[in-house]
Amino acid sequence: AQSVTQPDIHITVSEGASLELRCNYSYGATPYLFWYVQSPGQGLQLLLKYFSGDTLVQGIKGFEAEFKRSQSSFNLRKPSVHWSDAAEYFCAVWGGATNKLIFGTGTLLAVQP
Amino acid sequence: KAGVTQTPRYLIKTRGQQVTLSCSPISGHRSVSWYQQTPGQGLQFLFEYFSETQRNKGNFPGRFSGRQFSNSRSEMNVSTLELGDSALYLCASSLNRQETQYFGPGTRLLVL
Repeated sequence: AQSVTQPDIHITVSEGASLELRCNYSYGATPYLFWYVQSPGQGLQLLLKYFSGDTLVQGIKGFEAEFKRSQSSFNLRKPSVHWSDAAEYFCAVWGGATNKLIFGTGTLLAVQP
Repeated sequence: KAGVTQTPRYLIKTRGQQVTLSCSPISGHRSVSWYQQTPGQGLQFLFEYFSETQRNKGNFPGRFSGRQFSNSRSEMNVSTLELGDSALYLCASSLNRQETQYFGPGTRLLVL
């Protein structure tokens, strides 16, 4: 069965520091992968997606993610974090024929000055 | 182009009541999916509608139902509310099935 694991429940980084959020997936075929961000009290905003092709994908707000098939990973990165990046981040894999997104448990990012 | 809109944004109900939530997809989008988000269970798929037909349903009791209209707008209904139904209900739309899903702001339901 398809699944997504986000090993880090909570991460704190200093403003200006680099960021990497981990995501591992389980999926039988070539996965469609997504990162969404959720600010408090808000819905989910799409940061970036991977369907095929270049394994390094660029998204909005300066985020990027790298698909590594050998490691079943799709980690999200940002070179320099801003205080406004504090939010919860969700990795998701598309569930194939069920046409649903399967989400990880999320990583809550705190940014300290 | 306007995003996905959901109404109402907040709702307080008591146990045993029923509730209807509404979702208007992005203009031109034909597929609408619903998700429930709770602190304990995370984000869980409820159902998907396309061309006014339910295409998939998640592992939820029959108290949860929905429908889609000819203009692609969708509603979900929860009957006989339970305390555990308190959650953020998110609607997502996509151009067609198997396309990127874009989410609305959600409806926060509190059951007392």
